[in-house]
Amino acid sequence: RKEVEQDPGPFNVPEGATVAFNCTYSNSASQSFFWYRQDCRKEPKLLMSVYSSGNEDGRFTAQLNRASQYISLLIRDSKLSDSATYLCVGGYQKVTFGIGTKLQVIP
Amino acid sequence: DAGVTQSPTHLIKTRGQQVTLRCSPKSGHDTVSWYQQALGQGPQFIFQYYEEEERQRGNFPDRFSGHQYPNYSSELNVNALLLGDSALYLCASSLGRKNEQFFGPGTRLTVL
Repeated sequence: RKEVEQDPGPFNVPEGATVAFNCTYSNSASQSFFWYRQDCRKEPKLLMSVYSSGNEDGRFTAQLNRASQYISLLIRDSKLSDSATYLCVGGYQKVTFGIGTKLQVIP
Repeated sequence: DAGVTQSPTHLIKTRGQQVTLRCSPKSGHDTVSWYQQALGQGPQFIFQYYEEEERQRGNFPDRFSGHQYPNYSSELNVNALLLGDSALYLCASSLGRKNEQFFGPGTRLTVL
């Protein structure tokens, strides 16, 4: 089993929709979690850190569920500019990226 | 405030050759991590440098080695290049070993 797993998608959603991604992790000792956004042929950019209490930044909400060992990212009111690949990051002792979930927001 | 910089941006090598990639961390950061990203995959952790020492290593062979200098800049060296080493090589810096990482634009390596 991979240490961090994501559904690669693609998720095709209409503008204005709400979309959620989940990412599971296998090592219960994992401590630090993040969401990154990566545009085609560009470097990953930090989107949000994921805290135990959950956190929100504008239209984006990240949550951590330790009991079920997953983190989630919710995007409300999707914009065309949200189209990208969303990478989750976790891991114990070393940073591990998921494969990324591709989001395409359609006009 | 300069972000993470990497050089070169693109590189073409042939099998068996050696390559050195360079990274300067974001101002104020002391930790550098290197990743390999193949097309359609997430970044794979190669190793992390902190205080001029390799502190963590991913599942990469000894052909992959690195160095960190006193000014925190870092190099990634790959010997005996294989076709499968063709990828985007990303450098990320952070303040401390477990904090948020910020990525450079990457070096795209093609091995022919």
